[in-house]
Amino acid sequence: GESVGLHLPTLSVQEGDNSIINCAYSNSASDYFIWYKQESGKGPQFIIDIRSNMDKRQGQRVTVLLNKTVKHLSLQIAATQPGDSAVYFCAEKWDNDMRFGAGTRLTVKP
Amino acid sequence: KAGVTQTPRYLIKTRGQQVTLSCSPISGHRSVSWYQQTPGQGLQFLFEYFSETQRNKGNFPGRFSGRQFSNSRSEMNVSTLELGDSALYLCASSPLGSPKNIQYFGAGTRLSVL
Repeated sequence: GESVGLHLPTLSVQEGDNSIINCAYSNSASDYFIWYKQESGKGPQFIIDIRSNMDKRQGQRVTVLLNKTVKHLSLQIAATQPGDSAVYFCAEKWDNDMRFGAGTRLTVKP
Repeated sequence: KAGVTQTPRYLIKTRGQQVTLSCSPISGHRSVSWYQQTPGQGLQFLFEYFSETQRNKGNFPGRFSGRQFSNSRSEMNVSTLELGDSALYLCASSPLGSPKNIQYFGAGTRLSVL
């Protein structure tokens, strides 16, 4: 899993498998969370978000789960494809502040 | 709609020099934020501008400054460059009044300080 400010963990999955990327956030007052995807040579791209009054939200092939009790966020990618290879990082927001995690590098093996 | 545009994409400077980076937000977006991204520290917030005013500021020294113009374009300046300033500098824009604060990022400017 990922912790804000530490080394960049990696996750390697086989094409077609499901991927789970984890994030431990820091502030129990955070009320909004976002997952971003950053491909090599590009800026971060919004994937999915979730408010603190929810514990699950689904998008196209992606699901975000929020466990406020243990301040944990996860991103699930179904049927992972080579184009999903990138660095994924979470962001937490409270008041006007937003803090980003260090990221997890996902590599998809064909 | 064109995305966030940052120029230049790559820059090489030497210690002690100063540098100016430019960001053109998505048309209609009035909030522009700047971030520094390094392998060790990840994405760190520098500052946010809205309607030509600095609205938020991160924990960076005064050598880092920015401004926003009336057309929402923004520049950031780093004076007296240090080796540790080598990083990818990212600009992000948000629509007016966006309650979710979803930010749209540019591809960044890669600054190398020698």
